[in-house]
Amino acid sequence: ETGVTQSPTHLIKTRGQQVTLRCSSQSGHNTVSWYQQALGQGPQFIFQYYREEENGRGNFPPRFSGLQFPNYSSELNVNALELDDSALYLCASSLDANNEKLFFGSGTQLSVL
Amino acid sequence: KQEVTQIPAALSVPEGENLVLNCSFTDSAIYNLQWFRQDPGKGLTSLLLIQSSQREQTSGRLNASLDKSSGRSTLYIAASQPGDSATYLCAVKRGGSNYKLTFGKGTLLTVNP
Repeated sequence: ETGVTQSPTHLIKTRGQQVTLRCSSQSGHNTVSWYQQALGQGPQFIFQYYREEENGRGNFPPRFSGLQFPNYSSELNVNALELDDSALYLCASSLDANNEKLFFGSGTQLSVL
Repeated sequence: KQEVTQIPAALSVPEGENLVLNCSFTDSAIYNLQWFRQDPGKGLTSLLLIQSSQREQTSGRLNASLDKSSGRSTLYIAASQPGDSATYLCAVKRGGSNYKLTFGKGTLLTVNP
């Protein structure tokens, strides 16, 4: 167990809906990164939050947005869901933005119908 | 754009066999390379991290090597066990970037008793 918890574990939505995924980082960690992993693919970087600010972003459209709270937990919001958004969404925390040791949660499996 | 390729995509071996997983990357300007393990439907666990200035790292039965100039890394697993069955992913972090990991698609390893 890494101490990084994600909720919910599974979620089913329909195309066009909005979804919010949540992540609690490991105690003492101030940096959270989000990744999308489609079936049979490697994880793709979505964005990173460091001390409540977005610290970097991958090649994802603006309908993917995030938030980090003062306790360093984080949310990933996806608007106007598309079928291709179906994937495992992984959250990883680290001690700080320069620390290479990432601790991943077990992910949220999102299915868009 | 960095691309990471892992060969083979799947590998099945009998228990006790030594094996090698391969990872190649197109841009040699990396900061470090990591090998991760992923169990079905789960998050990632970091196995070994090699800095760009290093040639190899070892942890127990695992040994990872890095040849930055040729854009290659290998993960050697000695005396494989059924519990080693999982997907193994390699990921590189680009020099100058302190947040984004670029992953390969992984190698699905099955160790048969």
